[in-house]
Amino acid sequence: KQEVTQIPAALSVPEGENLVLNCSFTDSAIYNLQWFRQDPGKGLTSLLLIQSSQREQTSGRLNASLDKSSGRSTLYIAASQPGDSATYLCAVDQTGANNLFFGTGTRLTVIP
Amino acid sequence: DADVTQTPRNRITKTGKRIMLECSQTKGHDRMYWYRQDPGLGLRLIYYSFDVKDINKGEISDGYSVSRQAQAKFSLSLESAIPNQTALYFCATSGTVTSTDTQYFGPGTRLTVL
Repeated sequence: KQEVTQIPAALSVPEGENLVLNCSFTDSAIYNLQWFRQDPGKGLTSLLLIQSSQREQTSGRLNASLDKSSGRSTLYIAASQPGDSATYLCAVDQTGANNLFFGTGTRLTVIP
Repeated sequence: DADVTQTPRNRITKTGKRIMLECSQTKGHDRMYWYRQDPGLGLRLIYYSFDVKDINKGEISDGYSVSRQAQAKFSLSLESAIPNQTALYFCATSGTVTSTDTQYFGPGTRLTVL
């Protein structure tokens, strides 16, 4: 069974810092990896989706990388802002059926 | 209006009661999903449906049932609620069976079973 781990569980940084969130998965036979953001009282919002054949995806200040062979992904956030404060979740799709295995998330706080 | 809506948003019930959580979507998507989220465990898939005639069990389907009443509606039922089903429940949708698409989530239903 696929297991997805995210470390650290929580992270606090001052505004303006660049930061990296980590995600690891045990079974490298994946179809894609997705990063989501979760705000309190709200559902999840998709940030980036990386296909298994890709190495990275970028959207604005966000850059996600994928190293399938080592079972790792990182989410890089540039020039962090207080509005980036949220829980970030990574999820792995193993079959292409979009049945996702989620990590437990990293709770990010950006201090003004 | 939100693309994926869930009702109710909050529910407190007692052990043994039957509970139905409802999900509606206006995105025109074929695929719909039900997840639960527990502290420290992340989201886990309960059931998913690829179209109206297709229902599949997820990782943790025991104690739950679902109904896909229409393309836009997918309901989750707890036939006899128990306290360890206290959790945050999310409905999600994704694109047609021929495409690879991310999932779009509803705002969640917080269920407490006493």
